[in-house]
Amino acid sequence: DIQMTQSPSSLSASVGDRVTITCRASQGTNNYLAWFQQKPGKAPKSLIYAASSLQSGVPSKFSGSGSGTDFTLTISSLQPEDFATYYCQQYNSYPLTFGGGTKVEIK
Amino acid sequence: EVQLLESGGGLVQPGGSLRLSCTATGLSFGRYAMSWVRQAPGKGLEWVSAISGAGTTYYADSVKDRFTISRDNSKNTLYLQMNSLRAEDTAVYYCAKISGPYDHYWGQGTLVTVSS
Repeated sequence: DIQMTQSPSSLSASVGDRVTITCRASQGTNNYLAWFQQKPGKAPKSLIYAASSLQSGVPSKFSGSGSGTDFTLTISSLQPEDFATYYCQQYNSYPLTFGGGTKVEIK
Repeated sequence: EVQLLESGGGLVQPGGSLRLSCTATGLSFGRYAMSWVRQAPGKGLEWVSAISGAGTTYYADSVKDRFTISRDNSKNTLYLQMNSLRAEDTAVYYCAKISGPYDHYWGQGTLVTVSS
């Protein structure tokens, strides 16, 4: 199984900050790496697929990068609606696996 | 607009059974692998099962031999038959397209509670 490790597990940031979340896979994922956002009591919302492709309708302040085993989600200018938990997920092989999540909180 | 709508959740006793359904609209359903993912209260996400467009199935070890995934491409519907349910199966269950090419999608979830 491919293990996904996210860091940090939580962070505090201010509106307007640039935020970066990292995700490391225990083995290569062929860039089959997705990021999504989840707010309390809500379903996950997809942001990025194939490591760097922006999901339709997702604002361009979200971007993904990386390759091989190391990936990054960046939010260029944090807005109030962006405070949420973010997860990475690999879909290179079954079982599909998720990172533990990064909770982005207001400073 | 793509929508995935789950149904079938509820309260069931330990050892009982439940069948979840997920109907897709706005998506070429039969072309894509579909998954079930669950989230226990206050916990992270756990992949449960997946099925390819052609019907090949995959399961997490935690549900193997108890859960069965299936699909009816003529009805754009995904199913999860859950047998021998345990307290630790209590979770919100999401239907999702989270593999394969192009955009990924999630349903709104359905709550399964296993309790006596």
